Amino acid sequence: GAGVSQSPSNKVTEKGKDVELRCDPISGHTALYWYRQRLGQGLEFLIYFQGNSAPDKSGLPSDRFSAERTGESVSTLTIQRTQQEDSAVYLCASSFSYPTVGESVEAFFGQGTRLTVV
Amino acid sequence: GENVEQHPSTLSVQEGDSAVIKCTYSDSASNYFPWYKQELGKGPQLIIDIRSNVGEKKDQRIAVTLNKTAKHFSLHITETQPEDSAVYFCAAVPSLSGGYNKLIFGAGTRLAVHP
Repeated sequence: GAGVSQSPSNKVTEKGKDVELRCDPISGHTALYWYRQRLGQGLEFLIYFQGNSAPDKSGLPSDRFSAERTGESVSTLTIQRTQQEDSAVYLCASSFSYPTVGESVEAFFGQGTRLTVV
Repeated sequence: GENVEQHPSTLSVQEGDSAVIKCTYSDSASNYFPWYKQELGKGPQLIIDIRSNVGEKKDQRIAVTLNKTAKHFSLHITETQPEDSAVYFCAAVPSLSGGYNKLIFGAGTRLAVHP
């Protein structure tokens, strides 16, 4: 079945350029997360979308980072004026927001986008 | 807000031995605790989870225990195999029943199982 899809899988960009990363969540999942994972490190929370509620942007590291979500589907993470410290794998995950009895609350992750800023 | 601490950061065991990874959380309202396994080059994948109304849960060679009073939970892997080698992340979700299920992750444990 279809899982969480992220594109591109790899992105190399020059310092100072803008990049846009895309996430297609599992159909029906109203919650969507973005995480950043630097090489050999843990999962750093960036932003959380839950249905039509205002997103939790508390993890965005600077105003160069922004994210949008179209309804309950595709999300894009945009990094403006990229810097070398932005190099990392960006992971997207989705889950149900309001699980009913018997419904899983499991968050499913995509394979990530590996961003390299040169 | 919720904070999750995970120990150890690295763990090396011989094949067949047991491995234990421990996590503590700060928000007593947290009520859902999943464990994720991340293999090289892949996204994390759920391996087992536990809710706050349960003290222990098993699934074949893996088990998770939860101590709500002490606010800690642990992952136990028995009869470890080389394919168990990966990075394991614990997580906590504050107030799942409220519908706000943002995952807060620990820093991860790199497990190496040696043949």
